[in-house]
Order: sequence, then structure tokens, then C-alpha cells
Amino acid sequence: SQTIHQWPATLVQPVGSPLSLECTVEGTSNPNLYWYRQAAGRGLQLLFYSVGIGQISSEVPQNLSASRPQDRQFILSSKKLLLSDSGFYLCAWSLWDRTNTEAFFGQGTRLTVV
Amino acid sequence: AQSVAQPEDQVNVAEGNPLTVKCTYSVSGNPYLFWYVQYPNRGLQFLLKYITGDNLVKGSYGFEAEFNKSQTSFHLKKPSALVSDSALYFCAVRGNTNAGKSTFGDGTTLTVKP
Repeated sequence: SQTIHQWPATLVQPVGSPLSLECTVEGTSNPNLYWYRQAAGRGLQLLFYSVGIGQISSEVPQNLSASRPQDRQFILSSKKLLLSDSGFYLCAWSLWDRTNTEAFFGQGTRLTVV
Repeated sequence: AQSVAQPEDQVNVAEGNPLTVKCTYSVSGNPYLFWYVQYPNRGLQFLLKYITGDNLVKGSYGFEAEFNKSQTSFHLKKPSALVSDSALYFCAVRGNTNAGKSTFGDGTTLTVKP
């Protein structure tokens, strides 16, 4: 069966520090991968979307970047965090060749920038 | 562009009563519609989806949803609510030409009181 791992679960970082959040998927090949941010427990904002290794689509211009160095690995990064980067970050995957399939989410990372 | 509206931030029901969480959508082409549930500090869990066929879709934990094309709605329902159903519910839409990217509503907090 497929599983998704996302870590760390919580993170407190000072303003101006770098960020690296990692997400890995097991049990499937060539998944579509996504990074979402959820502010204040409400709606999800799609940040990045990837359909393959090295292929990243940015949905919202901001202080963050994403990379996909391996088929089932998706990394969210920042060189210098801002206070506004605080939030709940969710990684998700879906089947690559099926636009009608649901997404499967990781457990999320609670990022607090202080 | 595709969009989702969940007109109610909060829905309160008594245990044992039926519940409805509303969702309307806008998308080009045929819609793929999804409902997810989120418990505090956790990722989203898939509940059910409409792809094609029968307008009444049954999903996990006794939930169902009715697709109404003329009203562009996809309301989530359950005949008899449980206290454990209390959570944050998200509706999502994806167009069949949108390469796997879903748009989520802002979420509705469901509270079921004993």
C-alpha cells in the first residue's frame, strides 16, 4: 500500500533562517506531488506542484522554493524565513496518470517563525 | 479558473440528527469533486468523490454527497451525526483538463453536540 511521510511534525525557526521540509512517498511510482499551506486552520493554498523529477510548477510567488531530486521525494525550502511563512504545511500526492483521483496527504508540519 | 465556495464557516448539529455541509463549485468542463475531513493538527483524509455516473455518492464513515449539475453543488450529508464527526471539512474541485490540480474551499467546521 502507499504511504506518505512528512517531517518534521513541528518546527520553530527564527526569522531569516533557512528552511527545509521533506516529504517522501512509498508504494507508487511517478506520483504527482504537491505542497500546500494552510493558514489559521482554514483553506488550503497550493504552493507547488510537480509531475516528475525536476519539474516544478509554482502557483504563488513567494519566499519559498521546491525541489524534486528523486521520483518520490519532494522538498520545500527557503533561504530566509519571514514571519509570514508561519503556517501548517501539507505535502500530498496523487496518481500521475489519473486526473480524477483523490489526493493523499501527509500529517503536516506546523512551522512557527519567531 | 476553477473555484469552490463553502458558504458556512460553522455547522452545528445535535448527535443523531442529519447533517449537511454545503459546497458549490465553478469549473470548465466536467468536474471532479471531492470531500476531505481534517482533524486538529493532522493532514486531510479523503471521504468521497464524484467522477461520473450516479449523482449520489457514498463514502467513508456513513457520509454521502449529492452532485447537482444544474445548481453546481456537491453537498455533503449524513443521516445521523456522531460526536466523532466533529472536524473540519473541505470540498475540492478539479476540472478534467487541469492536470491534477485541485482547488479547495475554505472549509466548514462541523460540531456535533451530544
